[in-house]
Amino acid sequence: ETVLTQSPATLSLSPGERATLSCRASQSVSIYLSWYQQKPGQAPRLLIYDASKRATGIPARFSGSGSGTDFTLIISSLEPEDFAVYYCQQRYNWPPATFGGGTKVEIK
Amino acid sequence: EVQLVESGGGLVQPGGSLRLSCAASGFSLSSYSMNWVRQAPGRGLEWVSFIYTDGNTKYYVDSVKGRFTISRDNGKNSLYLQMDRLRDEDTAVYYCASQNDYSYGWWGQGTLVTVSS
Repeated sequence: ETVLTQSPATLSLSPGERATLSCRASQSVSIYLSWYQQKPGQAPRLLIYDASKRATGIPARFSGSGSGTDFTLIISSLEPEDFAVYYCQQRYNWPPATFGGGTKVEIK
Repeated sequence: EVQLVESGGGLVQPGGSLRLSCAASGFSLSSYSMNWVRQAPGRGLEWVSFIYTDGNTKYYVDSVKGRFTISRDNGKNSLYLQMDRLRDEDTAVYYCASQNDYSYGWWGQGTLVTVSS
């Protein structure tokens, strides 16, 4: 099973600041790493797929990078609606598909 | 507009059964492989099961193998999850999600399953 480790667990930032989230895989997932945003009481929403491609309707302030085992999600300037939990996910080595434990981006 | 709507959740005793449904609209379910993903209260996301477009290939996370069965009816644009011999640790919100290459593009709003005596 490919384990995805997200860091940090919590990121405390102010609106307008830059957020950098990390996801490390226990073995290579090539470029096939996705990022999701989840707000309280809501379903997850796909942000980034194939490591760096923005899903439909996702603002340009969200960007992803990486390949192999190390991936990064950057939110260039936090908007109030961006405070949420973010999960990475892989389905390259599967089954099972796996998710990271999540990073909570909270208001400082 | 694409929509996935889950139903069938509720309170069930340990050892009991439930059948979840996921109704798709705004797209043809037959064109997409589908998944069930769950989230225990206050916890992260866990992939549960996958079914290919034709229903002939299915995968499960180890913890539900032999207890859960995924199925689909493309004619009814619907996905199902039959859950038997339920355990306390199956308590979660269950989401259906479309498989878009290597990611989950569309999600339902989820249905809560509570296993408790």
